[in-house]
Amino acid sequence: DVKVTQSSRYLVKRTGEKVFLECVQDMDHENMFWYRQDPGLGLRLIYFSYDVKMKEKGDIPEGYSVSREKKERFSLILESASTNQTSMYLCASSLQDRVLGYTFGSGTRLTVV
Amino acid sequence: GESVGLHLPTLSVQEGDNSIINCAYSNSASDYFIWYKQESGKGPQFIIDIRSNMDKRQGQRVTVLLNKTVKHLSLQIAATQPGDSAVYFCAETANDYKLSFGAGTTVTVRA
Repeated sequence: DVKVTQSSRYLVKRTGEKVFLECVQDMDHENMFWYRQDPGLGLRLIYFSYDVKMKEKGDIPEGYSVSREKKERFSLILESASTNQTSMYLCASSLQDRVLGYTFGSGTRLTVV
Repeated sequence: GESVGLHLPTLSVQEGDNSIINCAYSNSASDYFIWYKQESGKGPQFIIDIRSNMDKRQGQRVTVLLNKTVKHLSLQIAATQPGDSAVYFCAETANDYKLSFGAGTTVTVRA
């Protein structure tokens, strides 16, 4: 089975801190995605990457950046965390040009205080 | 069974009844649709999918219906069980690699 692993289940950070959320997949998927999930809003795409060192903005990229130095790893960076970034963050991966096999990690619950 | 005519954020279902979860989509160019189930503490998991050249697809205890005319998607769960309690999301794509998700419906199964 494809595994998408997010390094932390729960994180508490202070306003203004730089925060790194890590995601690793083990099935050689080309595409990787970062979403945030908020009640009533569903999943909103922050950034995605279709290849190493490639990235594209999703629907809500403001306040975030990403890094993909290796195919298996996709990092989400909050340059200066704010309380409105308190959310559940979900990473996903999929094969190139296909959403079938789109697999999610278990999520990281981030609280910014 | 219980049905939801419009998208509602929550659905309470008696164990053994059938459930219907509705989803409206906005992009008329979307040609592939997926239903996901998210249990507490887990990421969304694939349930069933359907392409726009179909209007119905059946899986094990689940059926997805697609009405392209009114841009409406539904998920039917037969004989709902306690393990079906979860948040259900519909997702759509027009380009086959980037998904857009609905707001989700929380299904609670009553014993």
